[in-house]
Amino acid sequence: QITLKESGPTLVKPTQTLTLTCTFSGFSLSTSGVSVGWIRQPPGKALEWLALIYWDDDKGYSPSLRSRLTVTKDTSKNQVVLTMTNMDPVDTATYYCAHSPSYGDYFDYWGQGALVSVSS
Amino acid sequence: SYVLTQPPSVSVAPGKTARISCGGDNIGSKSVYWYQQKPGQAPVLVIYYNSDRPSGIPERFSGSNSGNTATLTIARVGAGDEADYYCHVWESGSEHRGVFGGGTKLTVL
Repeated sequence: QITLKESGPTLVKPTQTLTLTCTFSGFSLSTSGVSVGWIRQPPGKALEWLALIYWDDDKGYSPSLRSRLTVTKDTSKNQVVLTMTNMDPVDTATYYCAHSPSYGDYFDYWGQGALVSVSS
Repeated sequence: SYVLTQPPSVSVAPGKTARISCGGDNIGSKSVYWYQQKPGQAPVLVIYYNSDRPSGIPERFSGSNSGNTATLTIARVGAGDEADYYCHVWESGSEHRGVFGGGTKLTVL
């Protein structure tokens, strides 16, 4: 059974760096083809694809946020970490991590999401 | 970057068929994925590779993709289908990234 769960601060101040951790079980991020992605959703708005990390440590980032995002993995801990620098109130959103079984194509299992608010 | 266009809302009477479109340049050449999201919940995959259904998704959900439009079709719509639906594609090229559509609110009248 695959599960994922996001953890991190619920409130960050403008200009601070956000660090979110996705802790997962039921699969290995060292299995060929497997990846974990990050997606966010501002309140009342659409999903936005952010980043993805593959089993082989290859990575992909949203072009509009590339300069602010970093995604890393710790296979031994079954964790993926997303960092986003220079947070702004417009970054207030629910942040999801999700499992992809097939080279990042689609997400078949999602975490419950973590609401992050950006405010001074 | 690649843009996916969905109608903001679709309304359908109970028992009827709902069709939700997702437009994109030559989207027929890509694989399209669809997610259902109910209020306060994480998205759920309902269609992958244009028309495949994950286990546990009713046969009432189907998908198609051709030309510049992909379509999610929900037959015999019930109140439990009321939700937001998002299309998603993988943007091929030198970089790895995905794109979501703007979402469609399905209302069951």
